[in-house]
Amino acid sequence: AQKITQTQPGMFVQEKEAVTLDCTYDTSDPSYGLFWYKQPSSGEMIFLIYQGSYDQQNATEGRYSLNFQKARKSANLVISASQLGDSAMYFCAMRGGTSYDKVIFGPGTSLSVIP
Amino acid sequence: KAGVTQTPRYLIKTRGQQVTLSCSPISGHRSVSWYQQTPGQGLQFLFEYFSETQRNKGNFPGRFSGRQFSNSRSEMNVSTLELGDSALYLCASSFASGVSYGYTFGSGTRLTVV
Repeated sequence: AQKITQTQPGMFVQEKEAVTLDCTYDTSDPSYGLFWYKQPSSGEMIFLIYQGSYDQQNATEGRYSLNFQKARKSANLVISASQLGDSAMYFCAMRGGTSYDKVIFGPGTSLSVIP
Repeated sequence: KAGVTQTPRYLIKTRGQQVTLSCSPISGHRSVSWYQQTPGQGLQFLFEYFSETQRNKGNFPGRFSGRQFSNSRSEMNVSTLELGDSALYLCASSFASGVSYGYTFGSGTRLTVV
């Protein structure tokens, strides 16, 4: 069965510093997609970044980058130059290779940015 | 373009009542999925609809049901509400199923059962 693990329930980072949020996943599908979402206190889930299992390079989107280590089944999110607005819950998610696979989510990491 | 619209944003219901939540996906998106989010259980998958057909269902009791209309709008219904149904219900739309298709979420409906 597919599973996402996020081992950091809560994290603190100083403003302007970089932070890494951990994510490991388990799947037997050779083809899958990995996603990161941000959920501020307002509740809306905001898409941040996507990595496909066959992508050769790590994905980047502005201040967000994904450290993808396929052999270790790891897809860590790196946020550079943290801002106060980055304080939120962050969810790692995966979609498997079969057509009807749903997106499954990890338990999330609460990030607090300290001024 | 317009995002995913969920109505209502907030809802207070009494135990035993039923409730219907609505979701309008992004134009052109044919897949709509529903999730229940609670502090204790996290994000739990309810069901997914694609072209008016339920193609995937989570482990929820039969009190939870849904449907999708020909214009891709979706509704979710919960009958005989219980206190434990209090949660944030998130709707997400996707252009299609497949590994590279992630979700675009709505703002959610926060349901409180008293």
